[in-house]
Amino acid sequence: AQKVTQAQTEISVVEKEDVTLDCVYETRDTTYYLFWYKQPPSGELVFLIRRNSFDEQNEISGRYSWNFQKSTSSFNFTITASQVVDSAVYFCALLNTGGFKTIFGAGTRLFVKA
Amino acid sequence: EAGVAQSPRYKIIEKRQSVAFWCNPISGHATLYWYQQILGQGPKLLIQFQNNGVVDDSQLPKDRFSAERLKGVDSTLKIQPAKLEDSAVYLCASSWGQGVAPLHFGNGTRLTVT
Repeated sequence: AQKVTQAQTEISVVEKEDVTLDCVYETRDTTYYLFWYKQPPSGELVFLIRRNSFDEQNEISGRYSWNFQKSTSSFNFTITASQVVDSAVYFCALLNTGGFKTIFGAGTRLFVKA
Repeated sequence: EAGVAQSPRYKIIEKRQSVAFWCNPISGHATLYWYQQILGQGPKLLIQFQNNGVVDDSQLPKDRFSAERLKGVDSTLKIQPAKLEDSAVYLCASSWGQGVAPLHFGNGTRLTVT
């Protein structure tokens, strides 16, 4: 079975704090892809990053960084020096290459206060 | 490039009425998806088209939901008759190919069934 768990329902931080959003996934596939999407109040989900199951290198893009660990089936997302504009719901997603169906977690709502 | 277009933005109907949503994907994107997002949950795939053929509709409640993608471009999702539990945001997404390409989402249609 494929499953994505985002245990943190809501997180509230003060601007400039670092924050980590957790994502744990389950899959029996050896080849799969993991994604993070951002959903601002406007409602449109925006793609942030994609990782395949064979690439465990961490990635950094500006204030965003991602830590992929197959040993713990986790794909965590860290925002450094958070800003008010980072306030949104963040979704982790899993794509199994067998069925090409993207499964989303329940999302983590991030509030960044000025 | 123009993004995924959806209309209407909001819709309020009474239970047992019918409703239709429209989506125009990004030009050139062969794959089109309809997702249902209930408040507080992650998007759930309803149906996936590759050009004008259905790839996956396993989670589409076919007794009341229908979708079509004539000519392999824009798509319509219909609900008839609506139930209270259909209240949700209906998201349309497209991607340039079937598989691992990131999804591009529209702003969604927020449906309220009273």
